[in-house]
Formats: sequence, structure tokens, C-alpha cells
Amino acid sequence: EPEVTQTPSHQVTQMGQEVILRCVPISNHLYFYWYRQILGQKVEFLVSFYNNEISEKSEIFDDQFSVERPDGSNFTLKIRSTKLEDSAMYFCASALTGDEQYFGPGTRLTVT
Amino acid sequence: DQQVKQNSPSLSVQEGRISILNCDYTNSMFDYFLWYKKYPAEGPTFLISISSIKDKNEDGRFTVFLNKSAKHLSLHIVPSQPGDSAVYFCAASDENTGNQFYFGTGTSLTVIP
Repeated sequence: EPEVTQTPSHQVTQMGQEVILRCVPISNHLYFYWYRQILGQKVEFLVSFYNNEISEKSEIFDDQFSVERPDGSNFTLKIRSTKLEDSAMYFCASALTGDEQYFGPGTRLTVT
Repeated sequence: DQQVKQNSPSLSVQEGRISILNCDYTNSMFDYFLWYKKYPAEGPTFLISISSIKDKNEDGRFTVFLNKSAKHLSLHIVPSQPGDSAVYFCAASDENTGNQFYFGTGTSLTVIP
């Protein structure tokens, strides 16, 4: 069964550094998402992406964040200058129609 | 502003019995609801969904009930099995404004053999 993959599984970075989290969505899916879950808290929506552009974003998704689908298979989330509070699990998801989102296993980001 | 709430952080049930997980929401515009199951170190996995035009959807051992007037939905697992032990997230969306899902905080289900 096709699945969403994410790399790396764990990323440790220093405050102020840039990080890029990578996702490979399911190949025929058209909608792409990033969510995050701070330890012990709920899963929060960050951004959705369709037809090569952001379709929706939350308040969390400020100018420090950007997304890209550089080559038709990868979907990346970039955080330009990480803050301590960016430490969380970041989940990528993809969907064919937008109704059922398939999630990747997540990348744990630790900002020190 | 938590639009989707799961007020029980944990639940323990004996194997073979029914597990009932509850979820409340505040946004009356939500019209599509899902349950996800999450094992440690994995992403949420889609379990079952229901559209607001229905009040019940069943898939094997899993049934979701929707009470729109009460803005409440529940997931019933019958019979519960030890492999069902996981964190269950309720999620909701308003399909008219986008496909953003609003998640609850999760309920950790433990099925005791």
C-alpha cells in the first residue's frame, strides 16, 4: 500500500538555524499538508498546498515558514530561523481529493 | 480556541468489551468528521469518517455516531482488542472553506487483555 514518507525522522538544530523537513507524498495525490504536534498538545494545521501554491495557512505559518514542491515528488517545509518553540513533531499529509488525508510518520524537530 | 475537544485524555477497557471515545466541537460549520488512530512513533492513520448528512457510519468493528444538534460525535469499537490500544484523534473540517482539519487533543485507549 502506498504511503507518505518523511525524512529525517529526527532533526536536532540550534536556535536560529534553518531546517528543511522533507516529505514524499503518495504519488497520485494532489493536496499536500503540514501539521505539527508540540509534545503533549494537539495536532495543529500549518499549511495546505494545491496546484503548486499555498491554498490555506494558519496563524502559526508566519514568514519564517515556507513550503515547496521542488520536483513533483518531494514536498518540503522550511523554517528559516528556528526558535525553541518550534520543537515539535511535524507531520506531512497528502490527499487525492482532500477528504482523507494520509499522514507520514513525522519528523521530530528539536531546537536547542 | 479549541474547536474540537476530546475531554477524556485516557480510557481503559477490557478486551472484548465496547470502547466509546467521545468528541465535541463548537463550529457549527463543520460538515465532515474523521477519526484517526495513532501509534507511538507513527503518524495518524485514518480510521473512519462521517459526513454531516449522516448520523451513523459503520466499518467492521468501528462505528461513528454524529449528533449535530449536540455537536458531538463518538467512536464505538466493538469488540475491543489489545491491538486497538493507541491514541485516537477526532478531526473536523468545513469542506466549504478548505480541507484544513481541526484535531482534538486525543484520547489514549488501552485495551486490557
